Amino acid sequence: GEDVEQSLFLSVREGDSSVINCTYTDSSSTYLYWYKQEPGAGLQLLTYIFSNMDMKQDQRLTVLLNKKDKHLSLRIADTQTGDSAIYFCAESSGGSYIPTFGRGTSLIVHP
Amino acid sequence: DTAVSQTPKYLVTQMGNDKSIKCEQNLGHDTMYWYKQDSKKFLKIMFSYNNKELIINETVPNRFSPKSPDKAHLNLHINSLELGDSAVYFCASTSDGAGNTEAFFGQGTRLTVV
Repeated sequence: GEDVEQSLFLSVREGDSSVINCTYTDSSSTYLYWYKQEPGAGLQLLTYIFSNMDMKQDQRLTVLLNKKDKHLSLRIADTQTGDSAIYFCAESSGGSYIPTFGRGTSLIVHP
Repeated sequence: DTAVSQTPKYLVTQMGNDKSIKCEQNLGHDTMYWYKQDSKKFLKIMFSYNNKELIINETVPNRFSPKSPDKAHLNLHINSLELGDSAVYFCASTSDGAGNTEAFFGQGTRLTVV
């Protein structure tokens, strides 16, 4: 199976909260990331969390990490149409710093 | 100044041709990468390279080869292009060492093989 897994699509109404989930397999993962890819553009780092943390909040973004279950989530509060994009979960571990990406979740925000 | 820049942005070519995509980073990073994003948006690593080591994803055909003239550049050469090579190719870079390894990406090169 893949090292990092995410659901492929999420559709939400504008103003609602979005929750994008990710699971990973590498127990030595040191950093876990969320990247955003807008149409026709490269990936940009949204936020990251170190593996000894279980939560990180940054304005409308909340990252939750369950290290025991190897589960990472990204919550976007008050989702806006400008949040429509593909969101990639990624991890890097102490052994190799090569970031490994999930397949990406396409977030569609409708009015 | 663009941190990671790649050229060209679009590349249309015929099957069987040989082509190159260039990548440059001005971040002083030690490691550079090439990723392939297919039509389903799946992002898969092809190569990672620093001045010490080239790591190749074993699923990448040997028609693909990275060339690094210096630390700031990692170009991707593709020989005998096939229809299945059509995809968006992203260059990225990270700094070495322990700590957060945020990857900085180029804007992508959309390769279409006809």
